[in-house]
Amino acid sequence: DQQVKQNSPSLSVQEGRISILNCDYTNSMFDYFLWYKKYPAEGPTFLISISSIKDKNEDGRFTVFLNKSAKHLSLHIVPSQPGDSAVYFCAASEDDYKLSFGAGTTVTVRA
Amino acid sequence: DVKVTQSSRYLVKRTGEKVFLECVQDMDHENMFWYRQDPGLGLRLIYFSYDVKMKEKGDIPEGYSVSREKKERFSLILESASTNQTSMYLCASSLNPDRVGTGELFFGEGSRLTVL
Repeated sequence: DQQVKQNSPSLSVQEGRISILNCDYTNSMFDYFLWYKKYPAEGPTFLISISSIKDKNEDGRFTVFLNKSAKHLSLHIVPSQPGDSAVYFCAASEDDYKLSFGAGTTVTVRA
Repeated sequence: DVKVTQSSRYLVKRTGEKVFLECVQDMDHENMFWYRQDPGLGLRLIYFSYDVKMKEKGDIPEGYSVSREKKERFSLILESASTNQTSMYLCASSLNPDRVGTGELFFGEGSRLTVL
């Protein structure tokens, strides 16, 4: 039973526009959330994270929003660039060593 | 740069064979992990280790074992490979000694295993 869900398997966006990726979770004990990016034939790389004590974290073009009451987080990429085309995984952890990952969303940025 | 190296990018094995997947990291990280990635399921944790000779089961340990004899090396073992173990296997390491959630995982490039 997946505790982290990314319900949109794919997203296509015009270059320069905003990409919004969504993630829902069911475990109320999760207190730290991360986004990873994965290119084909490469391992995932860390993108951005947020602690449950915050509702927003920003790093350049990437912003993550957390809505604890809705158990929902989102990743905003503004503006989207062709190099952002990749698979994005949402991940979450509670107070142990384990990360639970979502199924991923494939983002395609159109020129 | 942190480097996590997985010994084989592509393997093809037969049902019942014993399979070893090797992973080496060069940044003196305490924590090491094995995940498998399957379409529609994301990354699922098989085993992890937070110290030499220590191991903990993840979410899907059945059919797998691990070995960590040295800090930099973490091996995943399939004692008797089965077709449902055909997957992409990802090794990762992290530095944070307390919680992986407050630090980032560094992943290898993955090992694509096909079991016939």
